[in-house]
Amino acid sequence: QQPVQSPQAVILREGEDAVINCSSSKALYSVHWYRQKHGEAPVFLMILLKGGEQKGHEKISASFNEKKQQSSLYLTASQLSYSGTYFCGTERNQGGKLIFGQGTELSVKP
Amino acid sequence: DVKVTQSSRYLVKRTGEKVFLECVQDMDHENMFWYRQDPGLGLRLIYFSYDVKMKEKGDIPEGYSVSREKKERFSLILESASTNQTSMYLCASSLTTGHSRREQYFGPGTRLTVT
Repeated sequence: QQPVQSPQAVILREGEDAVINCSSSKALYSVHWYRQKHGEAPVFLMILLKGGEQKGHEKISASFNEKKQQSSLYLTASQLSYSGTYFCGTERNQGGKLIFGQGTELSVKP
Repeated sequence: DVKVTQSSRYLVKRTGEKVFLECVQDMDHENMFWYRQDPGLGLRLIYFSYDVKMKEKGDIPEGYSVSREKKERFSLILESASTNQTSMYLCASSLTTGHSRREQYFGPGTRLTVT
């Protein structure tokens, strides 16, 4: 039931791009994305509702493929501040309860 | 800004003790959540509450109970702490289900060690 994130970890150089995937075996109502920096609380990035929309937040964007029950988070021209662990949270119905993936650890090096 | 606070950042308890973790939010959110975070397992939902005195089990409720007597406060109770409950505990809150702005806001976490 827990969504599967891939990759588990990725190391980038500043300015490089990355994609993080989140896949569910169940039909989804929405997907949330959060970033957690070391020693801090997770912080909300964006919500995607079923319908295949794509959203953006600075140079971070995401898509939701309803047919595949998969969401992808795109980080372009990565900055050092993007380092952290990224979690997707999936919502199966409009009930507010999220099931989080295991996280993807992203490290951006100078 | 939404603020979610947790009563302790670090807590050390002995096996068998009753443990209370407190969470308070100041944005009048209807929903409140308790998660535990363990390396490689992500955030796992223990309990959540969508209204005062209402609660629903999450994915790993065994060994835990909760209390929500006031809208702004959600407590997690470990009736008899065990070493396998050593973890980081995160509280979160959000607006009501169906609201377009229902992202979750997290507290700083409580790192609980049970010896």
